[in-house]
Amino acid sequence: KQEVTQIPAALSVPEGENLVLNCSFTDSAIYNLQWFRQDPGKGLTSLLLIQSSQREQTSGRLNASLDKSSGRSTLYIAASQPGDSATYLCAVSPSTSGSRLTFGEGTQLTVNP
Amino acid sequence: IAGITQAPTSQILAAGRRMTLRCTQDMRHNAMYWYRQDLGLGLRLIHYSNTAGTTGKGEVPDGYSVSRANTDDFPLTLASAVPSQTSVYFCASSERDSSYEQYFGPGTRLTVT
Repeated sequence: KQEVTQIPAALSVPEGENLVLNCSFTDSAIYNLQWFRQDPGKGLTSLLLIQSSQREQTSGRLNASLDKSSGRSTLYIAASQPGDSATYLCAVSPSTSGSRLTFGEGTQLTVNP
Repeated sequence: IAGITQAPTSQILAAGRRMTLRCTQDMRHNAMYWYRQDLGLGLRLIHYSNTAGTTGKGEVPDGYSVSRANTDDFPLTLASAVPSQTSVYFCASSERDSSYEQYFGPGTRLTVT
């Protein structure tokens, strides 16, 4: 059974700092990995999707990397802003066709002005 | 474009009552999903549908049923609610199966007393 772990569970940083969020998964046979953002009381917003054949994806100040063989992904946020405060979740899709995304429990990020 | 809408936003329900959570998407996505999000357990897949007319069981399907009569709508029914079904429920959709980017609705907060 696939398990996804995100460390740390919570992170507080000053504005302007570059930071890295970690995601690890136990079964490396994945199709892709997605990073989501969730604001309090809201649904999830997709940030980046990395296919298993890719090493990284970038969107603005966000960069996600994937090392499938070691079962790890990182989300790098450059020049953090208070508006980046949210919970960040990663989720993996299995290599077989189907519809079972497995989510981590998320990292709650607070960027202090 | 609204994306995904869910109704109601929140609901308090007596145990034993029947309840249907509504979900509608306007993106013409083939696949739709229902998740529940609980503190300490993260997001878990309840049921999914890869295309209109088909449905499948997720990780925690017991006590829930779904139907997919058309592309846009994917209602989730609790036949006889129990307190353990107190949760935040999210509907999501993707162009095809879970290997594609998923888009989430705003959620329904359900309390079963």
